[in-house]
Amino acid sequence: KAGVTQTPRYLIKTRGQQVTLSCSPISGHRSVSWYQQTPGQGLQFLFEYFSETQRNKGNFPGRFSGRQFSNSRSEMNVSTLELGDSALYLCASTEEGRNSPLHFGNGTRLTVT
Amino acid sequence: DAKTTQPNSMESNEEEPVHLPCNHSTISGTDYIHWYRQLPSQGPEYVIHGLTSNVNNRMASLAIAEDRKSSTLILHRATLRDAAVYYCILRDLTSGGSNYKLTFGKGTLLTVNP
Repeated sequence: KAGVTQTPRYLIKTRGQQVTLSCSPISGHRSVSWYQQTPGQGLQFLFEYFSETQRNKGNFPGRFSGRQFSNSRSEMNVSTLELGDSALYLCASTEEGRNSPLHFGNGTRLTVT
Repeated sequence: DAKTTQPNSMESNEEEPVHLPCNHSTISGTDYIHWYRQLPSQGPEYVIHGLTSNVNNRMASLAIAEDRKSSTLILHRATLRDAAVYYCILRDLTSGGSNYKLTFGKGTLLTVNP
């Protein structure tokens, strides 16, 4: 099976712009979650989607949003970008079931200038 | 969420065993212990998990203390490809379903010397 695919791998944006990141989960996985990784804060949970519905949400401002499509692919959007949004954004998918491990993609590196 | 404490860094020699410790003194009876690792320029990768008994898989072994307040990830023969940041995470599955909101700490940076 192909792994979790995230596009693009690298992105450079300017303050105030918005950005959309894409994630294709492993075939058959219906849960997709997003994480932000920075050197200072480490890995932080953003949100999780299942069957096109947001099930869990982390402590991030409303500028961070996401959605999931009927084929389980997911996108996350960040509006009005700030310098502090520069980070590695990771997507993970998992099978539905207690204790199923998360499978992460290699992330999108976002740089805001 | 119950917290975990890991050493910031550890060093090992190639082909020697590595024991990566994790303290979780506030663990609850329903917390599973999960380990992930993150190689340079990659996303985290699942390694192993357990509840009370020691666990083995093709990647590693997990030894869990009898009181569950600590655990140790064991790599039986370290290779250069095992150089990574290792995260010990507690995952509570009592909330009526699966918990996908994992709380990652700083982890342990493992350096493997040739």
